[in-house]
Amino acid sequence: QQQVKQSPQSLIVQKGGISIINCAYENTAFDYFPWYQQFPGKGPALLIAIRPDVSEKKEGRFTISFNKSAKQFSLHIMDSQPGDSATYFCSSGNTGKLIFGQGTTLQVKP
Amino acid sequence: DAGITQSPRHKVTETGTPVTLRCHQTENHRYMYWYRQDPGHGLRLIHYSYGVKDTDKGEVSDGYSVSRSKTEDFLLTLESATSSQTSVYFCAISEFGGGVGNQPQHFGDGTRLSIL
Repeated sequence: QQQVKQSPQSLIVQKGGISIINCAYENTAFDYFPWYQQFPGKGPALLIAIRPDVSEKKEGRFTISFNKSAKQFSLHIMDSQPGDSATYFCSSGNTGKLIFGQGTTLQVKP
Repeated sequence: DAGITQSPRHKVTETGTPVTLRCHQTENHRYMYWYRQDPGHGLRLIHYSYGVKDTDKGEVSDGYSVSRSKTEDFLLTLESATSSQTSVYFCAISEFGGGVGNQPQHFGDGTRLSIL
């Protein structure tokens, strides 16, 4: 089974700092790399996604960096806020199916 | 928010009993998915559907069956529930599948299932 490995498992950041979550995938056929944000008691919600033809995508304070040769991608949250405290999942896939990382619990301290 | 309703939201049942979870969508999306979420494992695909009566297995399909008789409804059945199936179950929908038209999956708010 192809895996997506996500790190760190948990992360504590001060308000205003940069949060960085990393993921590595195995299948070079994957062509879609979304990140999801999940709050307690809710389902995951799409945060930002990238395709392998670009190396970076930015939406507001959220940026995905993509390294195709290393089969790695990362999420950067700039100016982290307490409201960003949540669990983040990377995922990758194609043909309509996604494989998810294990999740990172982010706590942003005021 | 995507129009996805999961029912029930919480259920407690006993080992050996059958359990059916329902996912209902109002978006007319073609693809529907069932995942389970467990600590340390992220989300794992159980089964998915790419159209009415068209379903396929995911990563952790043993002990589960699905049915889709209408576009809007996708049912997940545990024929004889076991304690290892205690989990939070999420339904997701997507307008398209793979290729250039890869579309994001939108998730419901989950069903918390406890099997004693």
